[in-house]
Amino acid sequence: AQTVTQSQPEMSVQEAETVTLSCTYDTSESNYYLFWYKQPPSRQMILVIRQEAYKQQNATENRFSVNFQKAAKSFSLKISDSQLGDTAMYFCAFGSNFGNEKLTFGTGTRLTIIP
Amino acid sequence: DVKVTQSSRYLVKRTGEKVFLECVQDMDHENMFWYRQDPGLGLRLIYFSYDVKMKEKGDIPEGYSVSREKKERFSLILESASTNQTSMYLCASSYRQGTNTFGEGSWLTVV
Repeated sequence: AQTVTQSQPEMSVQEAETVTLSCTYDTSESNYYLFWYKQPPSRQMILVIRQEAYKQQNATENRFSVNFQKAAKSFSLKISDSQLGDTAMYFCAFGSNFGNEKLTFGTGTRLTIIP
Repeated sequence: DVKVTQSSRYLVKRTGEKVFLECVQDMDHENMFWYRQDPGLGLRLIYFSYDVKMKEKGDIPEGYSVSREKKERFSLILESASTNQTSMYLCASSYRQGTNTFGEGSWLTVV
């Protein structure tokens, strides 16, 4: 079974700064998917970024980028030029390449952007 | 815009009551999921369904059942609600990995 660990329950950063959220995972699979989801106070879970394990290039989406270290089983999220709207819970998630699309989530990091 | 709709956002039920949480998606997705979200525990999978009338247990199925009679609708059932089932419940649907779309969540309080 896969496990996902987020070791930072809470973080805060000043607006416009850069922040990095950590995530490690454990799996015996060689090909899989990793995701970062954002859950604002409104509670709607939104996909921020995804990474396919067979791709060596780190995924980026505008101000969001990941540092994917497959050998270390590490998948951190970097948010550049942070904005007040980035305040949310962030969940790291693992998705298997086999069969269905169920996800295994970490415990989340509550990020607060300070004006 | 594609949507997953959870009809009940906030519910208060008594211990022992039968509770139905409904989820409807309009994207023709094959896969649907029910997760439970608790502080410090993240999201945990209760049940999922990959086709009509098909279901599989997730990581924490005890005390829950599900029903999927139509492709667009996936119901979570608490046969006899207990206080330890007080939680936020999230429904999601997908057609392939990375396409998960979530509903807004249902807050259930069991008293």
